[in-house]
Amino acid sequence: EAQVTQNPRYLITVTGKKLTVTCSQNMNHEYMSWYRQDPGLGLRQIYYSMNVEVTDKGDVPEGYKVSRKEKRNFPLILESPSPNQTSLYFCASRDAGNTQYFGPGTRLTVL
Amino acid sequence: GNSVTQMEGPVTLSEEAFLTINCTYTATGYPSLFWYVQYPGEGLQLLLKATKADDKGSNKGFEATYRKETTSFHLEKGSVQVSDSAVYFCALRKNNAGNMLTFGGGTRLMVKP
Repeated sequence: EAQVTQNPRYLITVTGKKLTVTCSQNMNHEYMSWYRQDPGLGLRQIYYSMNVEVTDKGDVPEGYKVSRKEKRNFPLILESPSPNQTSLYFCASRDAGNTQYFGPGTRLTVL
Repeated sequence: GNSVTQMEGPVTLSEEAFLTINCTYTATGYPSLFWYVQYPGEGLQLLLKATKADDKGSNKGFEATYRKETTSFHLEKGSVQVSDSAVYFCALRKNNAGNMLTFGGGTRLMVKP
């Protein structure tokens, strides 16, 4: 089944404790991206990647890092999480027809 | 910069009522326009899209027409069902190298039996 998977789905952590949210797609898509969803703000793009080893900032990249060492994986890294990063995070990949496929989401709470 | 504005929710309707969710956008050039739907506990799914002016996107009884003169892409459905209860996001994408999606704030639709 073609899909985008994220782990973990839920995470509660404390300020300053580094964490990684994994994202994987099995559709051989070159383009992947991360979004955060906050009430009333819709989804805002954090980072995107056009291909392996090619990443770039989206609208709200501060406090986040990403890497793209393999085509299928695009982890999101929070080196020192803060409470304002409490949010719902979505990973997405895009096919050649420019249709985006979203993962199920990761709900992160930073205390 | 690009922006998308949607009507605030929640929108509460009875089953079989007519639905309109307004969406207007600000962008230079000719963006592609999308409606995504998010069911409870799930990620976003593409509902429909339109890539040029006067195009009509349609899917599952939903429709939206790309109106460049009014910079709008309103979502409509003639008869909603309880299963349509979800959050609906309007989005645009500029045809540039980044190809980022810019989303509206989302509109929650609740359909009562």
